[in-house]
Amino acid sequence: QKEVEQNSGPLSVPEGAIASLNCTYSDRGSQSFFWYRQYSGKSPELIMSIYSNGDKEDGRFTAQLNKASQYVSLLIRDSQPSDSATYLCAVNKGTGGFKTIFGAGTRLFVKA
Amino acid sequence: DADVTQTPRNRITKTGKRIMLECSQTKGHDRMYWYRQDPGLGLRLIYYSFDVKDINKGEISDGYSVSRQAQAKFSLSLESAIPNQTALYFCATSSVGDPANVLTFGAGSRLTVL
Repeated sequence: QKEVEQNSGPLSVPEGAIASLNCTYSDRGSQSFFWYRQYSGKSPELIMSIYSNGDKEDGRFTAQLNKASQYVSLLIRDSQPSDSATYLCAVNKGTGGFKTIFGAGTRLFVKA
Repeated sequence: DADVTQTPRNRITKTGKRIMLECSQTKGHDRMYWYRQDPGLGLRLIYYSFDVKDINKGEISDGYSVSRQAQAKFSLSLESAIPNQTALYFCATSSVGDPANVLTFGAGSRLTVL
């Protein structure tokens, strides 16, 4: 079992729709959770972080965490073609929580 | 100038050659990481270092070695490159002062082993 699992996609949504990206993790001791966005040929960049159960909103992005179910999700409202990218779920673990493990990523296409 | 600089950006080499990928950063971060990215496999951690005297193996360290020459420099070496080490390699950094340990990535080094 992979430590961080994501559906590889591709996920295709029309412009203006809500895109829903999901991630599960195996280590209950994981402490911090992140979503990174990676455009083709570029390096990953952080878009959301979440540390406690519930929802965290930032503009069009909402991260959701359920530690009991070991589940993290990212909702993108009013999806735009510029949101087309690969979204990487990441989890911090290890002593002090400073080792970051990534999922394989979900490719998102937003159709104009 | 980039905060995290990787050299070379692209390299083609032959099986059995020794290769070094270099990473330098101007962010003043203590923690540095090397990841490789393969299609469909995401980012996998090779080695990480929390200070100059601290080196740790990641998920896939076999066939790789690292050197932390200074706080700002962290190099990845392939002693004898093989074709399945063809991948995109990323260096990343984070700050001891950041309890969330958010990573800042370099632009990547694309390595092809023939």
